[in-house]
Amino acid sequence: GNSVTQMEGPVTLSEEAFLTINCTYTATGYPSLFWYVQYPGEGLQLLLKATKADDKGSNKGFEATYRKETTSFHLEKGSVQVSDSAVYFCALNPRGSGNTGKLIFGQGTTLQVKP
Amino acid sequence: GAGVSQSPSNKVTEKGKDVELRCDPISGHTALYWYRQSLGQGLEFLIYFQGNSAPDKSGLPSDRFSAERTGGSVSTLTIQRTQQEDSAVYLCASSRDSYEQYFGPGTRLTVT
Repeated sequence: GNSVTQMEGPVTLSEEAFLTINCTYTATGYPSLFWYVQYPGEGLQLLLKATKADDKGSNKGFEATYRKETTSFHLEKGSVQVSDSAVYFCALNPRGSGNTGKLIFGQGTTLQVKP
Repeated sequence: GAGVSQSPSNKVTEKGKDVELRCDPISGHTALYWYRQSLGQGLEFLIYFQGNSAPDKSGLPSDRFSAERTGGSVSTLTIQRTQQEDSAVYLCASSRDSYEQYFGPGTRLTVT
């Protein structure tokens, strides 16, 4: 079946530190991969996406590369800010014939950035 | 343009009562999804609409849960005889192509 596993949080960093949030997946076929972010009290926002192996998604200084050989899509940012404090969700869309596009999410990783 | 909207933003209800949650998708988006976000279960898919049809209802947890969509637009998720375990944030998302989904702010349901 399809599943997503994220590193457990919470992750606490100082401002300007380097961020990595690990995400690995299990899927049949060739899924699309996403990172969503949920700021306190808000809904999910799409942060970045990748549709095929070796694609790199990027947005707002965040990056993630679709690695088929390691079935991973780790999220990175070179210098985090206090405003990046949020919950980050890795997700996959299985795609393929008959697929409805429903997203399968990891459990979420809480990031807290301290000044 | 306008995003996905949901109402109410918060709902407190007594155990055993019925509730209706509403989702207004982005105009022109034919695909619509309901998800549930709870502390114990994370983010779970509930149901998928393409137009007014629901070809995938596999995530609905029991027959107390139902949903409909009319005019290819607004969707209503109904929970009958609510239970405490139904307490969660219910999220709606819409999509033009069943690929990139845009989420609403959610409805926080509390069953007392």
